[in-house]
Amino acid sequence: EVQLVQSGAEVKKPGDSLKISCKGSGYRFTTYWIGWVRQMPGKGLEWMGITYPYDFDTRYSPSFQGRVTISADKSVTTAYLQWSSLKASDTAMYFCARLGIEPTGTGFSFWGQGTLVTVSS
Amino acid sequence: QSILTQPPSVSGAPGQRVTISCTGSSSNIGAGYDVHWYQQLPGTAPKLLIYGSINRPSGVPDRFSGSKSGTSASLTITGLQAEDEADYYCQSYDTSLSSSGVFGTGTKVTVL
Repeated sequence: EVQLVQSGAEVKKPGDSLKISCKGSGYRFTTYWIGWVRQMPGKGLEWMGITYPYDFDTRYSPSFQGRVTISADKSVTTAYLQWSSLKASDTAMYFCARLGIEPTGTGFSFWGQGTLVTVSS
Repeated sequence: QSILTQPPSVSGAPGQRVTISCTGSSSNIGAGYDVHWYQQLPGTAPKLLIYGSINRPSGVPDRFSGSKSGTSASLTITGLQAEDEADYYCQSYDTSLSSSGVFGTGTKVTVL
């Protein structure tokens, strides 16, 4: 059974750094792209970026390029989303999700449960 | 602001058919990228309903169907049920965004 299990909720202050995780199991981790999706309170879904754990190829939405870092560690079958300096506007639910083998033709077929990040002074 | 536009809301009585449009442009849907559709129930993670514009993953009821033509795509729910009340999002890729992905603006489906 494919599972993506995300790390727990975080409460941080503006300027803090943060790294949240998404552990994949039940499939060959290096075969599938895995990505991150943001949902701000009461708002829609936003595509942030995806990474391919086999060769670490990573693609970002221009809206998030330079603001976050997406990475993966195949030794622990875990993907990460990190910030070096959080802003209040980063307050949101963050979902990880797995694509199919072909990244553009298959959609995010499996999703994590979401990690709520709250940034407040 | 998303470059895939959906109507903010659609509604229908149980048993009726509703269609949600996803309007893009020549740099995304019109460029040949597939469209995927997701359902999000309140407080839960999204669920893939349609992939590759027309395909249903295993376990998705056949009352959900997808289509694509030109620069637009549609999700149709035939035989609306109370449990279909949710938010729905289309998703594709866009050459003007360095071929990164993009979600639609989202549509709230209300079952009357």
